[in-house]
Amino acid sequence: DVKVTQSSRYLVKRTGEKVFLECVQDMDHENMFWYRQDPGLGLRLIYFSYDVKMKEKGDIPEGYSVSREKKERFSLILESASTNQTSMYLCASRQSLGSPYEQYFGPGTRLTVT
Amino acid sequence: GEDVEQSLFLSVREGDSSVINCTYTDSSSTYLYWYKQEPGAGLQLLTYIFSNMDMKQDQRLTVLLNKKDKHLSLRIADTQTGDSAIYFCAEKPSDYKLSFGAGTTVTVRA
Repeated sequence: DVKVTQSSRYLVKRTGEKVFLECVQDMDHENMFWYRQDPGLGLRLIYFSYDVKMKEKGDIPEGYSVSREKKERFSLILESASTNQTSMYLCASRQSLGSPYEQYFGPGTRLTVT
Repeated sequence: GEDVEQSLFLSVREGDSSVINCTYTDSSSTYLYWYKQEPGAGLQLLTYIFSNMDMKQDQRLTVLLNKKDKHLSLRIADTQTGDSAIYFCAEKPSDYKLSFGAGTTVTVRA
């Protein structure tokens, strides 16, 4: 069974803090993704990585950065958290080849910035 | 996702059929997907359809694709309480990206 784990289910941080969200997958997937999920907006792609040390901006990268030093781990960093970054953050992974290119999701981290 | 649209809520009686509709914009999408999100969990792939197909059936699930109108639907037959969840439509407009709709919250009432 594919497993994608996220370091925290719930996180509360203060405005201006540096925040690290960690994601680990155990299926040797090349591609990994960070999304945020907001009611009425669905999932929006923040960043993705198609391989180790590779990263690409998604649709809403502003205020975020990422790190992928090892294949199994993809970190999302909020350099200076703001209240508009309060959201549910979902990590996903998938193989680079092989239809239907299913993405496997972690359970999510609900981040509250106060 | 602005390119994928779906209604936000659906209420259905247990045992009835549910139909969730979705419109997408990118005609080059090779796959279209339905993901399910149960309360407190991440998304899980429910079913998918390749763009050269019109219909796909998988047990209680039927997916219909109208490429001309860029319309995708998911029918769940004999809806059960365990089908209460958020259902996301998604298209695959490029090698890496998925574009998701806002999600339809399905509530099954007894």
